[in-house]
Amino acid sequence: KAGVTQTPRYLIKTRGQQVTLSCSPISGHRSVSWYQQTPGQGLQFLFEYFSETQRNKGNFPGRFSGRQFSNSRSEMNVSTLELGDSALYLCASSDSSNYGYTFGSGTRLTVV
Amino acid sequence: DQQVKQNSPSLSVQEGRISILNCDYTNSMFDYFLWYKKYPAEGPTFLISISSIKDKNEDGRFTVFLNKSAKHLSLHIVPSQPGDSAVYFCAASAYGGSQGNLIFGKGTKLSVKP
Repeated sequence: KAGVTQTPRYLIKTRGQQVTLSCSPISGHRSVSWYQQTPGQGLQFLFEYFSETQRNKGNFPGRFSGRQFSNSRSEMNVSTLELGDSALYLCASSDSSNYGYTFGSGTRLTVV
Repeated sequence: DQQVKQNSPSLSVQEGRISILNCDYTNSMFDYFLWYKKYPAEGPTFLISISSIKDKNEDGRFTVFLNKSAKHLSLHIVPSQPGDSAVYFCAASAYGGSQGNLIFGKGTKLSVKP
């Protein structure tokens, strides 16, 4: 069974640009969550999608947005990038019976 | 305000001994707790979880203990092996684990020395 796939693995963007990250969950998983990991703040919850609807949202500015498609694949978008957005962005998926959310390897975003 | 705290940034243990990683939480609405292990350049890997209706859960070398009155949980690894060296994250959920908005601690780096 394929795991959670995140693309791209690495990304370098310039301040002010926007970026889109992609996450393909494990087949059959309908919940997809996004997290930001930075050295100072640790892992912070961004948002969760379930059956194409945002079910939960963390405490991030509106520049961070996401969506989920009918095949459960999810994208997150960050607009007007700031230097502080440099982080590892992790996606996790789950089905309703398995509460051990499975994480992907992440996308390392560097904003210069 | 940190709702999940791992007060020890690092822990060093001899191979074969017990590793005890601690986690405290402040939100009494949390009812499901998870431990993850993370190697550099990889995503966190789920280890073990516990519901608030239990006080102990075991899976092989890993045991998680929950003390609700103290709002404290701990992960015991026995015996510790060099391959256990990684960063361990404690996470909590207020929805019985059924929704993916986990609140994480900042992690404890475990080093197991041969």
